[in-house]
Amino acid sequence: DTGVSQNPRHKITKRGQNVTFRCDPISEHNRLYWYRQTLGQGPEFLTYFQNEAQLEKSRLLSDRFSAERPKGSFSTLEIQRTEQGDSAMYLCASSFPSGTRGTGELFFGEGSRLTVL
Amino acid sequence: ILNVEQSPQSLHVQEGDSTNFTCSFPSSNFYALHWYRWETAKSPEALFVMTLNGDEKKKGRISATLNTKEGYSYLYIKGSQPEDSATYLCALLTGNQFYFGTGTSLTVIP
Repeated sequence: DTGVSQNPRHKITKRGQNVTFRCDPISEHNRLYWYRQTLGQGPEFLTYFQNEAQLEKSRLLSDRFSAERPKGSFSTLEIQRTEQGDSAMYLCASSFPSGTRGTGELFFGEGSRLTVL
Repeated sequence: ILNVEQSPQSLHVQEGDSTNFTCSFPSSNFYALHWYRWETAKSPEALFVMTLNGDEKKKGRISATLNTKEGYSYLYIKGSQPEDSATYLCALLTGNQFYFGTGTSLTVIP
């Protein structure tokens, strides 16, 4: 297992289009997180999964955003009717829960950069 | 939403200089404090996970300290090298959520 992978790495779309990002976590990790990062800001929490269950969602996640993790493996983040304000880096990370295996550190993918024209 | 602050926002140092930056966080509901290094065009990588007040961790030339009572952590880099150039993020883990600071962007000038 070579780590967390995300695709596509870059996506340019027109306003109003739908986009979907995929994240493949490290296979043994049962937690998966999505973050959004915009210029000059740190990563902002969007949502997280423990196995296939979506346990928490940020209020940043409007009705246009949806995330799934079927079967507790890969995850998808879909943005419908994209707006220019959605332009950002979307980061995925996976981990074990703290206190189980490891220290709970996050293992990140390289991110998917979205540009909405 | 918890406010995690990092300072300075950016830093330029000469190769060989030592440097440090700060992460401040609300001390209530603390579980762990993480430091990550994010190099351009790469993914953020964990440097340290700190849980106990007074924790000091070291990895090569980089070290970190933690004060949970007053709500801060320092990251130190001794003898900075060009390959240390990156954004350094701290993240507070409370409950099941990580709250990230805005990062300190370090540029080491050869």
